[in-house]
Amino acid sequence: NAGVTQTPKFRILKIGQSMTLQCAQDMNHNYMYWYRQDPGMGLKLIYYSVGAGITDKGEVPNGYNVSRSTTEDFPLRLELAAPSQTSVYFCASSYTLRGRQPQHFGDGTRLSIL
Amino acid sequence: QKEVEQDPGPLSVPEGAIVSLNCTYSNSAFQYFMWYRQYSRKGPELLMYTYSSGNKEDGRFTAQVDKSSKYISLFIRDSQPSDSATYLCAMSPPRDTGNQFYFGTGTSLTVIP
Repeated sequence: NAGVTQTPKFRILKIGQSMTLQCAQDMNHNYMYWYRQDPGMGLKLIYYSVGAGITDKGEVPNGYNVSRSTTEDFPLRLELAAPSQTSVYFCASSYTLRGRQPQHFGDGTRLSIL
Repeated sequence: QKEVEQDPGPLSVPEGAIVSLNCTYSNSAFQYFMWYRQYSRKGPELLMYTYSSGNKEDGRFTAQVDKSSKYISLFIRDSQPSDSATYLCAMSPPRDTGNQFYFGTGTSLTVIP
């Protein structure tokens, strides 16, 4: 039962570098989400996807991009990393056909921008 | 005003105590209510999921939703040191009115042996 898998677990970037945070789920969930979690600030939604080929912005999308070419994968791209993007990033997925099913989370990617 | 308010704590209780964790919210459209437990350096793990008002019990955990007061609670009976974690409340409106979940900032709980 892998659930939601995020890689890498830790990363240090220099200002201006780019990277892709990987997220994969094996539960055949149609909805996937990216959040960032900062101390005392709770989870902020960056982007989400309701299915392959469909993505939409969340609360804090600036500086990030996403794509969803398959049901399983939902990578998050950081272009021109800035110190303000230092955070813990969580990917989540849910299956929503009727009603609203709760989200399942990965264990996060801890990213530092120096 | 934030959509969801949660006292960050920290909360420290002796083993065996009853713990009460609470969230208030402002959006009367919220219908789905969740509690997550998050251990240090881990992702949030779903504990309880309720729809609309009422109580739901699962072992030592009880979730209550009072939609008239826009107030939800999580009770932990016979608390254990393994319950030491941060507890996040989350909620969402009906699916046809949006795709977002709204989270509280989390309450840090320590259960002292």
